[in-house]
Amino acid sequence: AQTVTQSQPEMSVQEAETVTLSCTYDTSESNYYLFWYKQPPSRQMILVIRQEAYKQQNATENRFSVNFQKAAKSFSLKISDSQLGDTAMYFCAFRAGGTSYGKLTFGQGTILTVHP
Amino acid sequence: DVKVTQSSRYLVKRTGEKVFLECVQDMDHENMFWYRQDPGLGLRLIYFSYDVKMKEKGDIPEGYSVSREKKERFSLILESASTNQTSMYLCASSLTGYGDTQYFGPGTRLTVL
Repeated sequence: AQTVTQSQPEMSVQEAETVTLSCTYDTSESNYYLFWYKQPPSRQMILVIRQEAYKQQNATENRFSVNFQKAAKSFSLKISDSQLGDTAMYFCAFRAGGTSYGKLTFGQGTILTVHP
Repeated sequence: DVKVTQSSRYLVKRTGEKVFLECVQDMDHENMFWYRQDPGLGLRLIYFSYDVKMKEKGDIPEGYSVSREKKERFSLILESASTNQTSMYLCASSLTGYGDTQYFGPGTRLTVL
């Protein structure tokens, strides 16, 4: 069974600064996907970024980028130029490859607050 | 845009009641999922469905059942609600299982008294 651990229950950052959220996972799978989801105070969860384990290049989506360290089983999210709208709970999630029907295993979540 | 809707944002029920939570998606997705979200525990998978009338248990299925009679609709049923089922329930759907993004509904905050 896979486990996903987010060791930072809460983080805060000043507007325009950079913040990094940590995530580690444990798996014996070789083919898998990793995701960061964002849940703003309105509660609708949305995808921020995804990473395929077979790709060495770190995924990037505008101000969001990941640092994927496969050997260390680490998958951190970096948010550059933080904005007030980035205030949310962030979840790291793991999905095994193959016929797993897309089941996700989530971490505990990190509440990020961006201060003006 | 994909839209996943849930029948209620807030629900209050009494212990022992039968509770139905409904989820509808409008993008012809194959897979649908029910999670519960609790502080400090993240999201935990209750049940999922990969086709009409097909269902599989997730990590915490005890006390729950599901129904998927039509592709777009996935219902979560609490046969006899208990106070430890007070939680936020999130529904999600994805086109296929293979690496596809899951799209989430707004959630239902269920309180069992």
